[in-house]
Amino acid sequence: GESVGLHLPTLSVQEGDNSIINCAYSNSASDYFIWYKQESGKGPQFIIDIRSNMDKRQGQRVTVLLNKTVKHLSLQIAATQPGDSAVYFCAESDFKTIFGAGTRLFVKA
Amino acid sequence: DTAVSQTPKYLVTQMGNDKSIKCEQNLGHDTMYWYKQDSKKFLKIMFSYNNKELIINETVPNRFSPKSPDKAHLNLHINSLELGDSAVYFCASSQDRNNSPLHFGNGTRLTVT
Repeated sequence: GESVGLHLPTLSVQEGDNSIINCAYSNSASDYFIWYKQESGKGPQFIIDIRSNMDKRQGQRVTVLLNKTVKHLSLQIAATQPGDSAVYFCAESDFKTIFGAGTRLFVKA
Repeated sequence: DTAVSQTPKYLVTQMGNDKSIKCEQNLGHDTMYWYKQDSKKFLKIMFSYNNKELIINETVPNRFSPKSPDKAHLNLHINSLELGDSAVYFCASSQDRNNSPLHFGNGTRLTVT
């Protein structure tokens, strides 16, 4: 069946370091991929997206990489800050948006 | 001003009761959704409406019935609540039915005792 999974359930980084969160997806028909950030008590918040005709997209301090050959997606956060501490979800979409299990990011001061 | 708002934020009720959760979006989006998040943070789609038309209906017990009176509102009614229904329910909207990011509300934490 369709699934989107994450390699690491938790990630702990030092403030100022770069963070990399990885994700594997299985639906070859997915053509749109999104990263969301969820803080405690709130709904998931859109961070960055990428379409299947691209392999890299950059935002403010964030970069998403897409490798369709191995069905892999990653989120890179530069100069990680305490405010980046949250649960991060990757999601894939063809007709419907399917979420991965989530990675909790801890930022140590 | 909240883009996607859902009420109530917390809902505690007993097994067997019927309850409703309301959702409204002021983004002018065409598509709205209900997602369920379990205790392990896993998010699963339940329903999706596009311009008041049901377009996604996942394997959800028929005790759950969504209703969309207009494209800005999507309510969720749950009959005969069970312990396993306890979760956080998120409403979301998107500009289009495909390839658009979702905008989520802040969730309704449902606790069934």
